[in-house]
Amino acid sequence: DAGVIQSPRHEVTEMGQEVTLRCKPISGHDYLFWYRQTMMRGLELLIYFNNNVPIDDSGMPEDRFSAKMPNASFSTLKIQPSEPRDSAVYFCASTTTDRAADTQYFGPGTRLTVL
Amino acid sequence: AQSVTQLDSQVPVFEEAPVELRCNYSSSVSVYLFWYVQYPNQGLQLLLKYLSGSTLVKGINGFEAEFNKSQTSFHLRKPSVHISDTAEYFCAVQIFGNEKLTFGTGTRLTIIP
Repeated sequence: DAGVIQSPRHEVTEMGQEVTLRCKPISGHDYLFWYRQTMMRGLELLIYFNNNVPIDDSGMPEDRFSAKMPNASFSTLKIQPSEPRDSAVYFCASTTTDRAADTQYFGPGTRLTVL
Repeated sequence: AQSVTQLDSQVPVFEEAPVELRCNYSSSVSVYLFWYVQYPNQGLQLLLKYLSGSTLVKGINGFEAEFNKSQTSFHLRKPSVHISDTAEYFCAVQIFGNEKLTFGTGTRLTIIP
């Protein structure tokens, strides 16, 4: 398996622009997570899905952020409009509930820079 | 709500010396415990996890961790570190029946040749 795939790996944009981050989870996994990592705040869970349905979006910072999972093999995280404070590394992770406390598998991340 | 505390933000260790990375957690209900490692410019990967049973858990790359319920700790150890162990290490907790992980702030392990 190719693992969790994220694109793009790097994104540089200007303040006010729309940014879309993409994630393809591991085939067969029924949970998908979006995280944000910054020096100041560490690793934060933004939202997670189960069987394509959002379960907990309490970590989404504000209405400028939205996430969708239209099918089991694709998810997007959108920021509109983007701001410099959104600069961070965004990770996608997936797991399955075949067994208790299964491992979350992380993608390589998207490094977002908002100028 | 559950929380994780990693008191040491940075730990420098000489090559081939032992290391212990500390993790304490707080939760009113039973939890699963994890250690993840993040190598430079990569995503996180699982080192080891404690679900139940023996309190000493062995993971990849020679790491092990011990669950101590009375002290609510899950410290990570390795008897002899290598340059390739240079990375950031994250402790995490998961409540029974909930797939959500709560991570600590991480400990940056630097190996000195």
